[in-house]
Amino acid sequence: DAGITQSPRHKVTETGTPVTLRCHQTENHRYMYWYRQDPGHGLRLIHYSYGVKDTDKGEVSDGYSVSRSKTEDFLLTLESATSSQTSVYFCAISLSRESHGVEQFFGPGTRLTVL
Amino acid sequence: AQTVTQSQPEMSVQEAETVTLSCTYDTSESDYYLFWYKQPPSRQMILVIRQEAYKQQNATENRFSVNFQKAAKSFSLKISDSQLGDAAMYFCAYRRRYSGAGSYQLTFGKGTKLSVIP
Repeated sequence: DAGITQSPRHKVTETGTPVTLRCHQTENHRYMYWYRQDPGHGLRLIHYSYGVKDTDKGEVSDGYSVSRSKTEDFLLTLESATSSQTSVYFCAISLSRESHGVEQFFGPGTRLTVL
Repeated sequence: AQTVTQSQPEMSVQEAETVTLSCTYDTSESDYYLFWYKQPPSRQMILVIRQEAYKQQNATENRFSVNFQKAAKSFSLKISDSQLGDAAMYFCAYRRRYSGAGSYQLTFGKGTKLSVIP
């Protein structure tokens, strides 16, 4: 258990509504990531953060924004949810230093359904 | 851009037998890491094993071992003495070693679903 929680764990929402997913870590790791998992695609990076208020886009960032105001929290926001954003969302953390912390540790995932 | 390919969408193995899952990747980098992650029905992503590209020796973790062929850009996972609890999706993943100010993101394959037959 790498001390990562995600909330909510399940959410059903309607097209056009805003949605915020939260990732919380107790490990004080610098790097945090949001991935989405879809059948036939594996996991794909949405956004990542390399420190408080330091974020950048990943491979599939359109329609998503993120914020990180504290080391322990990384928020993913869907400003106006669409059905194509129905997915399982994973948060991950890593130290990302060469001497250790190469691995990424994943949260339990959030299943989001957009009707 | 790096790509990771898992050519076997599904595989099955008899309990106590050995199975090998295939993974190939494409990169122009010479220094990187490769990983195998397991995702059981609980959906949790669990790190199985990792390999540093600069190490020639293949990584092993108990019943799990890899066959890393750097020149062929191949990274297969061998599971020995398969157990019912090994049934899961298995993902191969790549990470560049040096990133500067950029992301240490993982690039994943699409996964192989492994079934274990009692």
